[in-house]
Amino acid sequence: QKEVEQNSGPLSVPEGAIASLNCTYSDRVSQSFFWYRQYSGKSPELIMSIYSNGDKEDGRFTAQLNKASQYVSLLIRDSQPSDSATYLCAVNPSRQLTFGSGTQLTVLP
Amino acid sequence: KAGVTQTPRYLIKTRGQQVTLSCSPISGHRSVSWYQQTPGQGLQFLFEYFSETQRNKGNFPGRFSGRQFSNSRSEMNVSTLELGDSALYLCASSFLGTENNEQFFGPGTRLTVL
Repeated sequence: QKEVEQNSGPLSVPEGAIASLNCTYSDRVSQSFFWYRQYSGKSPELIMSIYSNGDKEDGRFTAQLNKASQYVSLLIRDSQPSDSATYLCAVNPSRQLTFGSGTQLTVLP
Repeated sequence: KAGVTQTPRYLIKTRGQQVTLSCSPISGHRSVSWYQQTPGQGLQFLFEYFSETQRNKGNFPGRFSGRQFSNSRSEMNVSTLELGDSALYLCASSFLGTENNEQFFGPGTRLTVL
């Protein structure tokens, strides 16, 4: 079993819709969770970090964490074509980020 | 604040050669981590440095090495290059490198081994 699993996609949503990206992790000691966005040909860009159970909102982005279910998700409200990218889930159990394989999101105009 | 910088941005080498990549972290950040990104394996952790000491190492052969200087700048070296070393090499910096510290990536060095 992979340490961090993401729905591989690709995921397509129409402009203005909510995009939902999911991630599960296997290491129960993980306490820090991150979402990165990576445009094609660019490096990952941190968009959200979450450490406690529940929701964390930042603009159009909401991260949700459920440690009991070992599940973290990212919701993007009012999706825009500029949100089209690969979204990487990462956990940090021991000072090294462990990444999922990413979900490619396309927002259709 | 300036972001993480990496040099060079692109490199082409041949098998058997060695290469050195450089990374300057965000000012004030003391931890530097290196990652390799390939289409097949995704993003994989190489090693992490803090105060000139390697604190953590990923599952890569000894051909991959690194160091950190007193100003927190870091270099990584790959010796005896193989075709499979072609990848995007990413450096990330964080303030202290603890588990809850956010890591910020540089633009990467694209290495092609022919």
